[in-house]
Amino acid sequence: QSVLTQPPSASGTPGQRVTISCSGSSSNIGSNTVNWYQQLPGAAPRLLMYNNNYRPSGVPDRFSGSKSGTSASLAISGLQSEDEADYYCASWDDSLNGHVVFGGGTKLTVL
Amino acid sequence: QITLKESGPTLVKPTETLTLTCTFSGFSLTTSGIGVAWIRQPPGKALEWLALIYWDDEQRYSPSLKSRLTITKDTSKNQVVLTLTNMHPVDTGTYYCAHMSPAYCTPTNCSFYFFAYWGQGTLVTVSS
Repeated sequence: QSVLTQPPSASGTPGQRVTISCSGSSSNIGSNTVNWYQQLPGAAPRLLMYNNNYRPSGVPDRFSGSKSGTSASLAISGLQSEDEADYYCASWDDSLNGHVVFGGGTKLTVL
Repeated sequence: QITLKESGPTLVKPTETLTLTCTFSGFSLTTSGIGVAWIRQPPGKALEWLALIYWDDEQRYSPSLKSRLTITKDTSKNQVVLTLTNMHPVDTGTYYCAHMSPAYCTPTNCSFYFFAYWGQGTLVTVSS
């Protein structure tokens, strides 16, 4: 059972816009930033979004992030087949001396 | 160019201690604000954060695994070592190390870290 809650799956057709939610609590998302990671099949995760809505260089601007209260979301516009992957949100949690928490991951399927 | 690579045994027996080494290049763990973390992923399951160590040797551990984990660094070798004692079959999975960057720093403190670079991972199987 992950501390951050994500839907297990999401899907869309090429060109569509999809969003993936990440729900937490006051001790994590509510008081810290959210980062998103993309894991392509068989590969290591890679940083997709940091500090809620900042894209590392090389990440297309089709990807955007937002945070409000104790929830965050990742939006992908102009969906492409290469976006099919697992997506994980993560944040710092201030409880228990401080630790990192991940979401359970969302498997995105491009139909 | 920042790279990280995990190394260690691919097979361990139940009750044994796992020792993994993360060897990195392109940055130094003596640089203020930088850290290295370990994250694992059981087959077909989600990512799970294990531990981290900062440039100043401060450590943090997963609350559920704290009693079994130790993380150390050797700045002269550009390595971070993770040990996990009393291995169980449920500890089977791919273990990743990652470079940590802060999103925000003041003159006295850094915060809002993210895992900017990841190693390729190493699969560890726990079986007798």
